[in-house]
Amino acid sequence: EPEVTQTPSHQVTQMGQEVILRCVPISNHLYFYWYRQILGQKVEFLVSFYNNEISEKSEIFDDQFSVERPDGSNFTLKIRSTKLEDSAMYFCASSDFLDNYGYTFGSGTRLTVV
Amino acid sequence: GENVEQHPSTLSVQEGDSAVIKCTYSDSASNYFPWYKQELGKRPQLIIDIRSNVGEKKDQRIAVTLNKTAKHFSLHITETQPEDSAVYFCAASRLEYGNKLVFGAGTILRVKS
Repeated sequence: EPEVTQTPSHQVTQMGQEVILRCVPISNHLYFYWYRQILGQKVEFLVSFYNNEISEKSEIFDDQFSVERPDGSNFTLKIRSTKLEDSAMYFCASSDFLDNYGYTFGSGTRLTVV
Repeated sequence: GENVEQHPSTLSVQEGDSAVIKCTYSDSASNYFPWYKQELGKRPQLIIDIRSNVGEKKDQRIAVTLNKTAKHFSLHITETQPEDSAVYFCAASRLEYGNKLVFGAGTILRVKS
């Protein structure tokens, strides 16, 4: 079964540093997303991406965040200057409207800001 | 925007009993309602979903019901087993291209053997 892969699985960074989280969506999917989940809380939408541009973003996705699809396979989330409250699990997801609306989530990157 | 409420926040049942988790949504335009199971430290896994043109869907021990008028949907797990213990999240979305999922707060289900 096709998978969404994310790297790294765990990232520890110092406050103020930049981090890039990487995702490889399922190859025939057209829509890409980032969600985050603070420990013990619900999954929250950050941003959706289609046709090389952001289609929707949440209030959480402020100027410190950016997304990019640098090549035909990777989809990245960059946090420019990390804060303690950015510590969370970040999930990438992809979907294909034709695929029974099937969202597929990656295994996540646990980001710890110290 | 859409808001999804989920109850209860925790649910303990005896093995073999049924478990019911309920969600309500606010946006009448939402038409897709998936349920996810999440084990500790793992990704959300889709277990069942329902679209607004259907009132009920069943897959073995799992069923979902939808009441569009009341804007609520429920997950029913019958004959619970210890491996059903996990956090369950409901979500709502509009089935248009690339729409986001709005999640409920989650229900911790504990199945006691």
